[in-house]
Amino acid sequence: ETGVTQTPRHLVMGMTNKKSLKCEQHLGHNAMYWYKQSAKKPLELMFVYSLEERVENNSVPSRFSPECPNSSHLFLHLHTLQPEDSALYLCASSPGVFGTEAFFGQGTRLTVV
Amino acid sequence: SQELEQSPQSLIVQEGKNLTINCTSSKTLYGLYWYKQKYGEGLIFLMMLQKGGEEKSHEKITAKLDEKKQQSSLHITASQPSHAGIYLCGADRPRDSNYQLIWGAGTKLIIKP
Repeated sequence: ETGVTQTPRHLVMGMTNKKSLKCEQHLGHNAMYWYKQSAKKPLELMFVYSLEERVENNSVPSRFSPECPNSSHLFLHLHTLQPEDSALYLCASSPGVFGTEAFFGQGTRLTVV
Repeated sequence: SQELEQSPQSLIVQEGKNLTINCTSSKTLYGLYWYKQKYGEGLIFLMMLQKGGEEKSHEKITAKLDEKKQQSSLHITASQPSHAGIYLCGADRPRDSNYQLIWGAGTKLIIKP
């Protein structure tokens, strides 16, 4: 248990569905991250939030929409996804944004059908 | 080619044997992180190295940072089944860049009983 909780753990959705992934941390961290992990590829950083402000958006398609209502919660809203978006989505948090250890959630295994 | 190259990509080791995993950067290393991931789950932090020549140990796992070679090695002594998983290295981008870690593609370790 790392202190970062992601729900749901597994999600199957159709290409026309709208769903949301949730991440929660009560570690008092100021930075939160969304990563995408596909088979045999390096982790892809999607979004970074620092003190609830988005500081990084790595050219992620608009069908992925992040939301950080407060420093403990991070959402990833999904709509009209493609099959190639199927992957493990990992949330992480860290005390600061740069040069600090990150704590990861267990991930959400997303399958788009 | 990737900015962080891990070798080997996969490794099968007899239980009780030693092994080494390498992580080589094409750019100057400012901070190097090692994480372990069990299949389909989140990443668990192992250790962080910041200074050239630095060496850290956690139980039977030792990591070193060679600043000149821009490389870090992870060494496991007397491997056990619990060491099986995917080992990922991550590195801080230079401070004048955006806030993020870059990642290697991972090394899959299988321990044969």
